Amino acid sequence: DGGITQSPKYLFRKEGQNVTLSCEQNLNHDAMYWYRQDPGQGLRLIYYSQIVNDFQKGDIAEGYSVSREKKESFPLTVTSAQKNPTAFYLCASSSGTGGNDEQYFGPGTRLTVT
Amino acid sequence: RKEVEQDPGPFNVPEGATVAFNCTYSNSASQSFFWYRQDCRKEPKLLMSVYSSGNEDGRFTAQLNRASQYISLLIRDSKLSDSATYLCVVTTPGGSYIPTFGRGTSLIVHP
Repeated sequence: DGGITQSPKYLFRKEGQNVTLSCEQNLNHDAMYWYRQDPGQGLRLIYYSQIVNDFQKGDIAEGYSVSREKKESFPLTVTSAQKNPTAFYLCASSSGTGGNDEQYFGPGTRLTVT
Repeated sequence: RKEVEQDPGPFNVPEGATVAFNCTYSNSASQSFFWYRQDCRKEPKLLMSVYSSGNEDGRFTAQLNRASQYISLLIRDSKLSDSATYLCVVTTPGGSYIPTFGRGTSLIVHP
């Protein structure tokens, strides 16, 4: 089955620790995205990548880092510099980069930092 | 002014009712428009794209009004299973075509 996988589904960390969220897709999509969703809020863009070895900051990139070494993979690291890391993190991909294409989402990772 | 605005609701309607949501966008150059559905604690999934001529898929109809800069979603004969949050997405050109999501409108369909 083609799709996007994110792991783990739930993640708990202590304050001050970096944590990396996994995102893998086998849809052969060029573009990949990371969003953050807080309760009652819409999705806010953290980082996006339109091609391997290239990525761009979104609206709320501070305290996060990404890499895109392979087309299939776009891991997100939540660093200790992120002030309020507890949130629902969603990874998405789309076949094109022109904005007209449907985004496919992974099931998300719920990160809780205490 | 936010780029994409939606009434968060909730819209509480009985089964069989017709309900409509609007979504306004601020950038007149916006090019592509979508409605996504998000169930509680799940990922968003595409419900339908919104074309200039409008489009219909079963009980769902989407319209685009460029002059007033809004899109709408009409749901006829509401089902219990329609209960979800409906996210408006707008893509605007400007170097990269990055979608902007609204906060979503919550719909609760009750028996």
